[in-house]
Amino acid sequence: AQSVSQHNHHVILSEAASLELGCNYSYGGTVNLFWYVQYPGQHLQLLLKYFSGDPLVKGIKGFEAEFIKSKFSFNLRKPSVQWSDTAEYFCAVNEPGYQKVTFGTGTKLQVIP
Amino acid sequence: DVKVTQSSRYLVKRTGEKVFLECVQDMDHENMFWYRQDPGLGLRLIYFSYDVKMKEKGDIPEGYSVSREKKERFSLILESASTNQTSMYLCASSYRGMNSPLHFGNGTRLTVT
Repeated sequence: AQSVSQHNHHVILSEAASLELGCNYSYGGTVNLFWYVQYPGQHLQLLLKYFSGDPLVKGIKGFEAEFIKSKFSFNLRKPSVQWSDTAEYFCAVNEPGYQKVTFGTGTKLQVIP
Repeated sequence: DVKVTQSSRYLVKRTGEKVFLECVQDMDHENMFWYRQDPGLGLRLIYFSYDVKMKEKGDIPEGYSVSREKKERFSLILESASTNQTSMYLCASSYRGMNSPLHFGNGTRLTVT
């Protein structure tokens, strides 16, 4: 079965610091990759997605992620975080040939003003 | 904009009660999903449905059942609620296809006493 690992469970950063959240998945074939974000008190929403093509994908609010096939990784980055980025971030993978989406355990990001 | 509506934001039920969680989406999505979200465990798939009257078990289906009689509605049923089913329950929907992102409801926080 597919598995998704997010190694950082809780990250605390000061405003303007750079962010990188790790995500690794287990399946070696073609996958679709997603990052979702859950702001406090809000529903989960899509941040960005990768299906094919350029391995560097850009999402909303200045976030980007890089797909590295050889490392089975899809790390999320932002050059300069803001207090409003405080949220929980989830990496997710689509299982090939299947409608199922598998999520990681999430990373809580706290940005200190 | 896609709207996924979960019937209750908070529910408190007693052990042994039969519990119904309802979810409705307004975008004619083929796929619907039920996840539970627990701290440190991320989102775990309970059941999903890719068509009316069709269902597939997710990773943790034990103690749950589902019903999809109409395309827009997907119900999660706890036949006999137990305290270990206290959790946040998230409904999501998507178009069929691996590259279709999930759209989430606001969640139902269920407490079983």
